[in-house]
Amino acid sequence: KNQVEQSPQSLIILEGKNCTLQCNYTVSPFSNLRWYKQDTGRGPVSLTIMTFSENTKSNGRYTATLDADTKQSSLHITASQLSDSASYICVVSAMEYGNKLVFGAGTILRVKS
Amino acid sequence: KAGVTQTPRYLIKTRGQQVTLSCSPISGHRSVSWYQQTPGQGLQFLFEYFSETQRNKGNFPGRFSGRQFSNSRSEMNVSTLELGDSALYLCASSRWVADEQFFGPGTRLTVL
Repeated sequence: KNQVEQSPQSLIILEGKNCTLQCNYTVSPFSNLRWYKQDTGRGPVSLTIMTFSENTKSNGRYTATLDADTKQSSLHITASQLSDSASYICVVSAMEYGNKLVFGAGTILRVKS
Repeated sequence: KAGVTQTPRYLIKTRGQQVTLSCSPISGHRSVSWYQQTPGQGLQFLFEYFSETQRNKGNFPGRFSGRQFSNSRSEMNVSTLELGDSALYLCASSRWVADEQFFGPGTRLTVL
């Protein structure tokens, strides 16, 4: 069973709308949780990194939240743009395994005009 | 500051051959990690190197190997290629282990 589960698997929204992507993890303890954006055919680009003591972190129109008690994180995208169409990957750094990164399968977001 | 570079960008090989992929990290970064990405499996961790030493290893067969040089550049090698090795191979560098990683564009390997 994957230690990092993301939902939904894919999502289609209209340009200008908001959306929220979910990440549930069982990795514990962890040192940090990251959200990456990956455009088709390119390497992932870091959006946010949060330690276990942080609840929220923003990067422009992207806001990530973390609830370490329920082991859930979300990525909220405000006023979506066509360029937001990409795969969004949640990654947890597992302290038990020398901070090895555990990747979720990603959520594929498509923004339509 | 130049980003992570990977060469070659695209590669076509046949079953049974071997392949070597190269990664040049961002200047000053000493940690390099390798990942395999396939549509069905997502990103799978291969291994991580720091200061020429392998620090972590994923669950891949021994056909997958890597190394890091004194200038932090890294190579990964896949021997006896199988069809299932077709994937995007990504390299990521960071200043040290567990720090923020910056990914390269990847090498798209196709095994025929």
